Amino acid sequence: AQSVTQLGSHVSVSEGALVLLRCNYSSSVPPYLFWYVQYPNQGLQLLLKYTSAATLVKGINGFEAEFKKSETSFHLTKPSAHMSDAAEYFCAVRGRGKLIFGQGTELSVKP
Amino acid sequence: GAGVSQSPSNKVTEKGKDVELRCDPISGHTALYWYRQRLGQGLEFLIYFQGNSAPDKSGLPSDRFSAERTGESVSTLTIQRTQQEDSAVYLCASSQAVGLSSGNTIYFGEGSWLTVV
Repeated sequence: AQSVTQLGSHVSVSEGALVLLRCNYSSSVPPYLFWYVQYPNQGLQLLLKYTSAATLVKGINGFEAEFKKSETSFHLTKPSAHMSDAAEYFCAVRGRGKLIFGQGTELSVKP
Repeated sequence: GAGVSQSPSNKVTEKGKDVELRCDPISGHTALYWYRQRLGQGLEFLIYFQGNSAPDKSGLPSDRFSAERTGESVSTLTIQRTQQEDSAVYLCASSQAVGLSSGNTIYFGEGSWLTVV
């Protein structure tokens, strides 16, 4: 069965600093992996997805993620954090038709 | 419609009452999903429809929860005899037809916020 684990329930960075949100997956088949963002009191918005094409995936708002099969990882990065990036971020894997989510990582950005 | 639409956006109900939550998926999307998100927690899968049938309803927490979909469009999630632990945001999502594994994007609505008092 597929699953994802997000390391760190809360990450805090300074504005302009590198953002790194960690996600490791478990899957018996080649996975489809997704990162979603949730702003306060809103639904989920897709940031990017990996569907077995390029291993480095670029998404919206300057985010990108790299699929590393050897490490079973799909970490999300952004070179320079902005105050507007403060939100909850969810990693997910597609399993038997549905999305299976990690527990989420709350990103705080300090001025 | 342009996006996944859910109603009501907010609902306060008394313990023991029944509630119905509605979801209108994106036009043409045959797959529809319901998730629950308790305050400060992750997303908990409830049920998934492909067309009008539900291949996976393994996440429904009890027999007080049920869902149906008609016309391969609107879906209703019903919670009977609500309890305080049912308080959560109920998120609906939709996507194009899927097999067991698919890279199709799943699009989420804004959610229905349920408070049981």
